[in-house]
Amino acid sequence: EAQVTQNPRYLITVTGKKLTVTCSQNMNHEYMSWYRQDPGLGLRQIYYSMNVEVTDKGDVPEGYKVSRKEKRNFPLILESPSPNQTSLYFCASSKPSRGTYEQYFGPGTRLTVT
Amino acid sequence: DQQVKQNSPSLSVQEGRISILNCDYTNSMFDYFLWYKKYPAEGPTFLISISSIKDKNEDGRFTVFLNKSAKHLSLHIVPSQPGDSAVYFCAASRKYNFNKFYFGSGTKLNVKP
Repeated sequence: EAQVTQNPRYLITVTGKKLTVTCSQNMNHEYMSWYRQDPGLGLRQIYYSMNVEVTDKGDVPEGYKVSRKEKRNFPLILESPSPNQTSLYFCASSKPSRGTYEQYFGPGTRLTVT
Repeated sequence: DQQVKQNSPSLSVQEGRISILNCDYTNSMFDYFLWYKKYPAEGPTFLISISSIKDKNEDGRFTVFLNKSAKHLSLHIVPSQPGDSAVYFCAASRKYNFNKFYFGSGTKLNVKP
């Protein structure tokens, strides 16, 4: 089954404790991206990657890091989480086809930083 | 400042009637637009898209209309079904930069049986 998986689905942590949210896709997609969803703000793009070893900032990259060492994986790293990073996070992937750029989203990771 | 806006946080419609969800954008460089549907505890799923060279795109019960001069797009669902109850996000992208996407804040649609 074609899918994007994220782990963990739920995470409660404390300020300053480094964490990683993993994202993996099995569709051989070149493009992957991370978003955060906050009430009233919709989804905001954090980072994206066009392919292995190619990453770039989205709209809200501060406080986050990413890496793309393999095509299928795109982890999101919070080196020193803060309460304002409490949010719902989505990973997505896509492969341009016939001029469309629809993205396939993972199920989300709800992060709470206390 | 949000470049894509959905000014109606919620919409309630009777089953069988038309649902119209609206989206406005401010960046005239946007030329590719998408709608996603999101159920609780799931990720968004792609619904329909439109390129700026068109003003209408249909897929079954779903039609997206684009008014470039007004920087406005709308999603029509006809007829609406209870299973359509979800949050709908519109998104936009710029020509030659299909890597960055800008989403609206979403509209929660409730279709009453």
